[in-house]
Amino acid sequence: DTEVTQTPKHLVMGMTNKKSLKCEQHMGHRAMYWYKQKAKKPPELMFVYSYEKLSINESVPSRFSPECPNSSLLNLHLHALQPEDSALYLCASSPPVAGEAGEQFFGPGTRLTVL
Amino acid sequence: GQSLEQPSEVTAVEGAIVQINCTYQTSGFYGLSWYQQHDGGAPTFLSYNALDGLEETGRFSSFLSRSDSYGYLLLQELQMKDSASYFCAVTTDSWGKLQFGAGTQVVVTP
Repeated sequence: DTEVTQTPKHLVMGMTNKKSLKCEQHMGHRAMYWYKQKAKKPPELMFVYSYEKLSINESVPSRFSPECPNSSLLNLHLHALQPEDSALYLCASSPPVAGEAGEQFFGPGTRLTVL
Repeated sequence: GQSLEQPSEVTAVEGAIVQINCTYQTSGFYGLSWYQQHDGGAPTFLSYNALDGLEETGRFSSFLSRSDSYGYLLLQELQMKDSASYFCAVTTDSWGKLQFGAGTQVVVTP
């Protein structure tokens, strides 16, 4: 299994809703990432988990809350989002020696629309 | 600050060769990667250079000069399916944090 899966593919939510994005990989990777990507822009790093511990939080607003229940799963909990949070949310994973490989495997993303 | 500079768009015909340059200025440097992204798709890893020199993978090659803070991606024998955005990205720390360039839109014409 050499892929990263993400659910749901599309999500429409109101500003008062609570929802979660899910990401899963079974490649034995121990680093997992959340990115946000706006149209015609590069991915922007949000969070990095290494060995199930949050390693990097790129000053993301608290309305985004990551969770790593185990080495294969990564969640992103959403609450009280704003319309400007509408974007493609990408999950990625990389082998244990993340900094030396440069290779990250991206999931297909969740297209989020906040009304 | 941190910055990666790459051209915004390149147009070429099928069968041609395209070179996408990337210059970077980052607080940390572990290596330079290249990713391809088709419209509506996810980024796909193409290549990684940690040391100076040329890496060849099929029709794609990537080059790095650490002393010049410069790299490039070479796309040979262009095919229509190569029409996509190409991002250079620097790994800036041991956690694998990637800093992406703004992306180069490659348009391949018949």
